[in-house]
Amino acid sequence: DIQMTQSPSSLSASVGDRVTITCRASQSISSYLNWYQQKPGKAPKLLIYAASSLQSGVPSRFSGSGSGTDFTLTISSLQPEDFATYYCQQSYSTLPYSFGQGTKLEIK
Amino acid sequence: QVQLQESGPGLVKPSETLSLTCTVSGGSISSYYWSWIRQPPGKGLEWIGYIYYSGSTNYNPSLKSRVTISVDTSKNQFSLKLSSVTAADTAVYYCARVDSLIAAAGTGYYYYYYMDVWGKGTTVTVSS
Repeated sequence: DIQMTQSPSSLSASVGDRVTITCRASQSISSYLNWYQQKPGKAPKLLIYAASSLQSGVPSRFSGSGSGTDFTLTISSLQPEDFATYYCQQSYSTLPYSFGQGTKLEIK
Repeated sequence: QVQLQESGPGLVKPSETLSLTCTVSGGSISSYYWSWIRQPPGKGLEWIGYIYYSGSTNYNPSLKSRVTISVDTSKNQFSLKLSSVTAADTAVYYCARVDSLIAAAGTGYYYYYYMDVWGKGTTVTVSS
């Protein structure tokens, strides 16, 4: 199995802040890395795919980078609607597809 | 646009089989992979498996002995069966479409898969 580890597990920030969430894979996954946002009681929403491609309709303040084992999700200027839990997910191996444990982004 | 809707019993008894269906509307089930994902209360996401519209499947090894995913293209639906359930299978179950970015590389192609459309989820509780 490929283990995905996110850091931090939780984060407090203010509206307007620049925020970075990190995801590390236990082995190289090239750019097979996706990011999702989940709000309480809702389904996850795709933000970034293939490490850095912005999903249609997602605001440009979201960006992704990285390759190999280390990846980041950056929100350039936090908005009130961005407070949520974020998950990374690798699609390099289906044995199995695996998610990070999540990063909960809270209002400071 | 494409929408997904999960349906099935919200309560299943221990040792029985959990059965859910995902109905695809606003688009065809053809030419895509379709996935099931679950989330236990207060926990993270776990991928269960996927099926191609033609019927080929891939399952999470940790669940493989108990999982069956099937597709009915005539109804634009795909389904999940999870046998011998226990309380540990209590979760919100999501269905999702798997799309891909195809990138040319040398003489071949890379396929970057991602889950771009999700159902709202359905809660399944395992309890007697």
